[in-house]
Amino acid sequence: AQSVAQPEDQVNVAEGNPLTVKCTYSVSGNPYLFWYVQYPNRGLQFLLKYITGDNLVKGSYGFEAEFNKSQTSFHLKKPSALVSDSALYFCAVRDQAGTALIFGKGTTLSVSS
Amino acid sequence: DSGVTQTPKHLITATGQRVTLRCSPRSGDLSVYWYQQSLDQGLQFLIQYYNGEERAKGNILERFSAQQFPDLHSELNLSSLELGDSALYFCASSPLGYSEQFFGPGTRLTVL
Repeated sequence: AQSVAQPEDQVNVAEGNPLTVKCTYSVSGNPYLFWYVQYPNRGLQFLLKYITGDNLVKGSYGFEAEFNKSQTSFHLKKPSALVSDSALYFCAVRDQAGTALIFGKGTTLSVSS
Repeated sequence: DSGVTQTPKHLITATGQRVTLRCSPRSGDLSVYWYQQSLDQGLQFLIQYYNGEERAKGNILERFSAQQFPDLHSELNLSSLELGDSALYFCASSPLGYSEQFFGPGTRLTVL
């Protein structure tokens, strides 16, 4: 069965520093991977996806993610964090049938000024 | 703004009652998905409709049902409500294929 794991409940980083939010996955076949962000009392906003191709995927708001097949990871990164990046981040994988998204439990990112 | 709309934003009701949540997908998207977000279960897929037909089911209780209408809007019906049904319910839509899903702002259901 497809699954994703986000090993950190919370990541703390100072404004201006690089940030990484970790995600590992387990799939049968080719992975279709996604990152979403959720701000308080808001819906999920799509950040980026990996379907195929280049292992470094660029997304919205300066975020990027690195797909690593050998380590089955899809870590979210940003070179310079902003206080406004503070939110709940979800990694997701498309299920085997290509329908639902299977989400990790989420990682709270806190960026301090 | 994702283009997916959901009504109502908040719903407070009592145990045993029935409610209907409504979702309008992005223009042109034929697939609609329903998810439940709760503190203990996280984000869980409930059900998918594609162009009016049920396509996939996830962890959806028998007390819950959904449908998609000819204008592609969808409704999620929750009946015999229990305290544990209190959660945020999201609707998402997507075009064909393995593309990303676009989420609505959600409906927060509180069962008292």
